[in-house]
Order: sequence, then structure tokens, then C-alpha cells
Amino acid sequence: GIQVEQSPPDLILQEGANSTLRCNFSDSVNNLQWFHQNPWGQLINLFYIPSGTKQNGRLSATTVATERYSLLYISSSQTTDSGVYFCAVGGNTGKLIFGQGTTLQVKP
Amino acid sequence: DAEITQSPRHKITETGRQVTLACHQTWNHNNMFWYRQDLGHGLRLIHYSYGVQDTNKGEVSDGYSVSRSNTEDLPLTLESAASSQTSVYFCASSRGLPDTQYFGPGTRLTVL
Repeated sequence: GIQVEQSPPDLILQEGANSTLRCNFSDSVNNLQWFHQNPWGQLINLFYIPSGTKQNGRLSATTVATERYSLLYISSSQTTDSGVYFCAVGGNTGKLIFGQGTTLQVKP
Repeated sequence: DAEITQSPRHKITETGRQVTLACHQTWNHNNMFWYRQDLGHGLRLIHYSYGVQDTNKGEVSDGYSVSRSNTEDLPLTLESAASSQTSVYFCASSRGLPDTQYFGPGTRLTVL
């Protein structure tokens, strides 16, 4: 099956710093989503981005499907950005395979 | 506002008991999914459904079943709970395939 690798596994930032999270996947996909799991456990969908670039406020994401990777950019990080960021991939079935996540801690 | 809810939010049960976790969405989405989240394994798909009367097995379906009698609900049943099923369970739904998946708040299940 498809393998999903996220890096780095852990990241500590000072408030205001920028960061880039990476997701590599082992096979072609047409379903790629980024999620944020906050400290209370809620999973929030950030982007549905099988290809191309999208932006939503301080967050943006780019997926290069032909090279099998996606990047999530967080600019001017805030303490509320803390949590775990998951990349999930799949095909037309809707089934998602999740990576192990990147744990982000933003310090004030 | 449309939403997806799960109940109960926390449950403690004993080995061998039957347990049902509820998932209800008001988006009128045809596609619904159940995942479990465990340390060291991330999120894994248990079962999914593309519409009324349709159910499919996911990656870790042994010991679980689902039924879909209407569009809004996809209850997950643990036929005979085992300690290995202690986990956090998430329900999700999407309008299309593939499409953005929206997750419920989760149910933390402990099997003693």
C-alpha cells in the first residue's frame, strides 16, 4: 500500500516564526488532505489539495503530485497553531491513509 | 450550522461487552468513514459507507461492524469488546469522492 512519511516529526518554534512541513508519499494519488489536530483532539481539515497551491490566511499548501510530495507552510506562527499536523492521501475511493504527523509547539 | 457529532464522547466498558458508538451528520453527505487513532499507528480506517445500505471494510475492520439505514447516521458496533480496541474513534464524512473529509470530535473508548 501507499506509504506516507511526514517530516520533521517534531518542531518547536517561537511565536512569529515561519515553518515548512513536508509530506512524501510512495505512489500516485489524487486525494491529499492536510489536517490539524488541536490539543483537545479535534481534527480540522486545513486543505484538500491533490495538486497545485492553496492559501488560507497564514497557511498555505503546495502539492507536486508528479514528484509525490506536499508542503504545508505556516507563517507568523501563533500559540494556537500548536498541535499535530497530519497529511493524508488516497485515491478516488475516498479512503485516506494518514502519515504519523508532525507535532508542532509554538512558544510565546 | 451543519455538523458531525459523535456520542458518547467517553466510554468505559468491560471485555466481552457489545458497544455501539454513534455518528450523526447533518450535511446530507453520502460518504461516511470510521477511523481509530492509536499512539504509534496514527489514524487507520475501520469501515466506510457510500450511501444507505452500503458498507465496506477498511484496513482494521476485524471485531467491528457498521450499518447504514439512513443518510445521517453510521453507528459503529464492537461485537465483543477487547482491550486491544481501547482507542480514540473518529467519524468523518464527505460530499464527493474524493473530497474534503470533515471529522467529528471523537469518542475515547476504554475497554477494561
